[in-house]
Amino acid sequence: AQSVTQLGSHVSVSEGALVLLRCNYSSSVPPYLFWYVQYPNQGLQLLLKYTTGATLVKGINGFEAEFKKSETSFHLTKPSAHMSDAAEYFCAVSRSNYQLIWGAGTKLIIKP
Amino acid sequence: EPEVTQTPSHQVTQMGQEVILRCVPISNHLYFYWYRQILGQKVEFLVSFYNNEISEKSEIFDDQFSVERPDGSNFTLKIRSTKLEDSAMYFCASSPGGTGYTFGSGTRLTVV
Repeated sequence: AQSVTQLGSHVSVSEGALVLLRCNYSSSVPPYLFWYVQYPNQGLQLLLKYTTGATLVKGINGFEAEFKKSETSFHLTKPSAHMSDAAEYFCAVSRSNYQLIWGAGTKLIIKP
Repeated sequence: EPEVTQTPSHQVTQMGQEVILRCVPISNHLYFYWYRQILGQKVEFLVSFYNNEISEKSEIFDDQFSVERPDGSNFTLKIRSTKLEDSAMYFCASSPGGTGYTFGSGTRLTVV
């Protein structure tokens, strides 16, 4: 069975600081991995995904994530936080065409 | 860019009433999904639909729920007799196959 763990329900960083949101997964088969962002009262927007190939994946808004099979991790990073990054971030895992299994989400708070 | 469209954006209904949530997936997509997110909780899979039948469903998707693709463009989720605990944001998603999920902006259902 697949599962996703996001460490930290809330992460607070200063504007301009590094953003690191952690995601670990368990999967019995090679997974597909996703990060979604949800702004208040809005839908789910895909930030980036890993399917195959290069393990460092670049997404929108300057975010990137690295798939580390040995650590079963897919942490999301951004070198310099912006106020507009304040949102909730969800990590998810799936197999092709199958349901997405979601983490509990991490609220990113940006301090001025 | 093609979008998944969900209507209505908000729905308030009385307990015990039937509701139909509507989704227009992206036109050349083959796989359709419903997810829900209870306020403050993680996103949960409800059901996936392919080739005019349910391909996967979760424990949440009991006999009160049904899905339909009535006319080749719409994809609907029906809740027959709503309960207070059905209050949530409901997201529709579609995919051409593989991992290219696109989500709608959601319908906020409030059962009173």
